[in-house]
Amino acid sequence: DGGITQSPKYLFRKEGQNVTLSCEQNLNHDAMYWYRQDPGQGLRLIYYSQIVNDFQKGDIAEGYSVSREKKESFPLTVTSAQKNPTAFYLCASTTGQNQPQHFGDGTRLSIL
Amino acid sequence: AQKITQTQPGMFVQEKEAVTLDCTYDTSDPSYGLFWYKQPSSGEMIFLIYQGSYDQQNATEGRYSLNFQKARKSANLVISASQLGDSAMYFCAMREGNTGRRALTFGSGTRLQVQP
Repeated sequence: DGGITQSPKYLFRKEGQNVTLSCEQNLNHDAMYWYRQDPGQGLRLIYYSQIVNDFQKGDIAEGYSVSREKKESFPLTVTSAQKNPTAFYLCASTTGQNQPQHFGDGTRLSIL
Repeated sequence: AQKITQTQPGMFVQEKEAVTLDCTYDTSDPSYGLFWYKQPSSGEMIFLIYQGSYDQQNATEGRYSLNFQKARKSANLVISASQLGDSAMYFCAMREGNTGRRALTFGSGTRLQVQP
């Protein structure tokens, strides 16, 4: 079955540590996205990529970095510069202008 | 200004009744799309229904329908014959056509609880 796989499901970060969240899709979608969700709130866009080797900052990119070396993969790194990283992170992909975004099951990141 | 506004933080509905979840949006782009997603407590986002700004008819998908009033900039989700499994967070989202990024802007959500 096609879909989006995010790993790990739960992640803990120590002070001063960078952590990387994995997002892999086998839907053959060109566009991929990272969103952050804080408790009781909607999703906010961190980064997006329309095509391999290209990505753009979203609304809350500070303290995050991404890469898009393969169509299937769009990993997100939460750097030590992100002072409040505790949140639920969702990866999504889509293929067309009027098509819905498909989401992974998310990664919950907490501070140790 | 908020691009997507969901004014109902929480809603209750009796099983088998219909419920309307409100969503208003703000855009000057003539081309846009409106989406509704369901998020159960497990966290995954489930796509429910889509309405394009140029669509002449209101979208329907099974028990879900979208009451699209373009002049009022509202896109309310109607769930008919509510089921216990409908209890979840519901998010309205918009994609503006001319931004080029195809990303969604989400509202703050409505928590729906279906009572037996």
